[in-house]
Amino acid sequence: QAVVTQESSLTVSPGGTVTLTCGSSTGDVTSGHYPYWFQQKPGQAPRTLIYDISNRLSWTPARFSGSLLGGRAALTLSGAQPDDEADYYCFLFYGAARVFGGGTKLTVL
Amino acid sequence: QLVQSGGGLVQPGGSLRLSCVASGFTFSTDSLYWVRQGPGKGLVWVSRITNNGGVTNYADSVKGRFAVSRDNAKNTMYLQMNSLRVEDTAVYYCLSSGSSGIWGQGTLVTVSS
Repeated sequence: QAVVTQESSLTVSPGGTVTLTCGSSTGDVTSGHYPYWFQQKPGQAPRTLIYDISNRLSWTPARFSGSLLGGRAALTLSGAQPDDEADYYCFLFYGAARVFGGGTKLTVL
Repeated sequence: QLVQSGGGLVQPGGSLRLSCVASGFTFSTDSLYWVRQGPGKGLVWVSRITNNGGVTNYADSVKGRFAVSRDNAKNTMYLQMNSLRVEDTAVYYCLSSGSSGIWGQGTLVTVSS
């Protein structure tokens, strides 16, 4: 089974910009992996932020954007707010299987 | 929204059925997923079912023990879990894919003697 890798933790200053990335043990992440990004705060169910690389849901703030960057999927947060402190998970398609990354704990400090 | 039910405490080797009922969106157009999260752990994909139920897929850890199904007339997805193991203990979430992107509230499954 493929392994999906994410930064274990990142810190961003309020108002700052940070990029979370998502890599695949099988090679470059491409559009065929249909990357998703989810946000989860303590004690809450996850929430979908991005699907199919860069598509936002209706509730996704415009400060979140998704892309492919250097063979990885990327989630960029521009203008971080304290409320963005959370765990972030990417999710990739591998044919019939799906795999989550281990998650990135984002601190806004 | 997606509203889940059916979790609880079960002994190893036992069975449970989880339900996930949708409202407020077009349920029948989306693939649906089950995802679990062990205590203090990350998210783990469990299974997937296509919009018409024609295709189902499973993580290796549950293949042959779990079965996903859906009834589009009832806007409901199910996860039948058999031969449960201690390591299946987790909060289980349902998720609609794509532009729906909705998660259920989660339901706790505890497998313990």
